[in-house]
Amino acid sequence: DAKTTQPNSMESNEEEPVHLPCNHSTISGTDYIHWYRQLPSQGPEYVIHGLTSNVNNRMASLAIAEDRKSSTLILHRATLRDAAVYYCILREWGNEKLTFGTGTRLTIIP
Amino acid sequence: GAGVSQSPSNKVTEKGKDVELRCDPISGHTALYWYRQSLGQGLEFLIYFQGNSAPDKSGLPSDRFSAERTGGSVSTLTIQRTQQEDSAVYLCASTPGLAGGSDTQYFGPGTRLTVL
Repeated sequence: DAKTTQPNSMESNEEEPVHLPCNHSTISGTDYIHWYRQLPSQGPEYVIHGLTSNVNNRMASLAIAEDRKSSTLILHRATLRDAAVYYCILREWGNEKLTFGTGTRLTIIP
Repeated sequence: GAGVSQSPSNKVTEKGKDVELRCDPISGHTALYWYRQSLGQGLEFLIYFQGNSAPDKSGLPSDRFSAERTGGSVSTLTIQRTQQEDSAVYLCASTPGLAGGSDTQYFGPGTRLTVL
């Protein structure tokens, strides 16, 4: 499985945008970029995914670099509820499992 | 609608005993996954079911671990002769089973297993 690299932790102020980076320099052409998050004492929760183009949904935006070797998850207005561990995962076509790394622990400061 | 449910939510057992963990996927989801999360190993894949078949069992750590799925719905993960290193949160996820890498996995709340 191609590897992703994320900062171990980040902090952000409440009600401000948050940009969570992910490097995946060994990504292949058929790898989807998935983001999941895990709130304290809960199972992981899907956030967003994309292949080549930037994506938006009600939770977040995903900005994918033109060479696809990095991506950024954008939370437009962080709330205390967004405090979680965020995982950036590459999922290749036909490979059904998710391979989780260590993720980024996001702390929201009131 | 109802999400993925798992039971029990907590299980404490003695070393050497067998345990069964249950997962009820979202209705209509054909694919089901088991993962476990422990302090030392992070979140790791165990096994994947498509319908009642398990095309990927590569994550099962030893032959003490087994899983089955019946009727394309409920799945049971069985751990025989539990060891202290089996202590972890066991998570189940399901998806509609669409082909390719874009399927979204929906996770249950997990079962916390403690082996004394």
